[in-house]
Amino acid sequence: DAGVTQSPTHLIKTRGQQVTLRCSPKSGHDTVSWYQQALGQGPQFIFQYYEEEERQRGNFPDRFSGHQFPNYSSELNVNALLLGDSALYLCASTELQLPHDYTFGSGTRLTVV
Amino acid sequence: AQSVTQLGSHVSVSEGALVLLRCNYSSSVPPYLFWYVQYPNQGLQLLLKYTSAATLVKGINGFEAEFKKSETSFHLTKPSAHMSDAAEYFCAVSEVAGRRALTFGSGTRLQVQP
Repeated sequence: DAGVTQSPTHLIKTRGQQVTLRCSPKSGHDTVSWYQQALGQGPQFIFQYYEEEERQRGNFPDRFSGHQFPNYSSELNVNALLLGDSALYLCASTELQLPHDYTFGSGTRLTVV
Repeated sequence: AQSVTQLGSHVSVSEGALVLLRCNYSSSVPPYLFWYVQYPNQGLQLLLKYTSAATLVKGINGFEAEFKKSETSFHLTKPSAHMSDAAEYFCAVSEVAGRRALTFGSGTRLQVQP
């Protein structure tokens, strides 16, 4: 049973560009959350998607947007990249009936140069 | 609002010694509490969680934590450290109902000396 799959594992972007990160949730999970983990810090909640809608959002600017597809997979989009967006982006999935049983992916390491 | 404070960004113990990682939380509503471990270049793995049942929670790899409401603490312990325990540990809190997003502490890096 595959867990949470994230792609790509690493990427390098130039300041001002746009990036899309992808996440496939664990089988049976219908809710996807995204977290940003800067170097040496704990993860910070970006937003959560359920039924293809953003349900909760953390303190992140509108440059961060997302999408959830009918198969529950999700994308995180970041526009107008800043150097400070360099981080490990983690996807976590769960199911609505067990909202605290999170499974995390291994993350996408984004470097903005 | 919720917050988590992890006391000590770095903890070093000898192999076989007691591991104690400290976590204090702040929450205006009943919390759920979690400990996660992160190995280099990997995601987060759940060690254990408190979900309002028993206050002493046992997790994987011999770790356990005790929820103390009066002290707003959820410290992580392991009686005997193993070299493989060297990693980054994160304490996190979420609400029982309503907003379920995890709020993490800044992490504690555990070093295990031979």
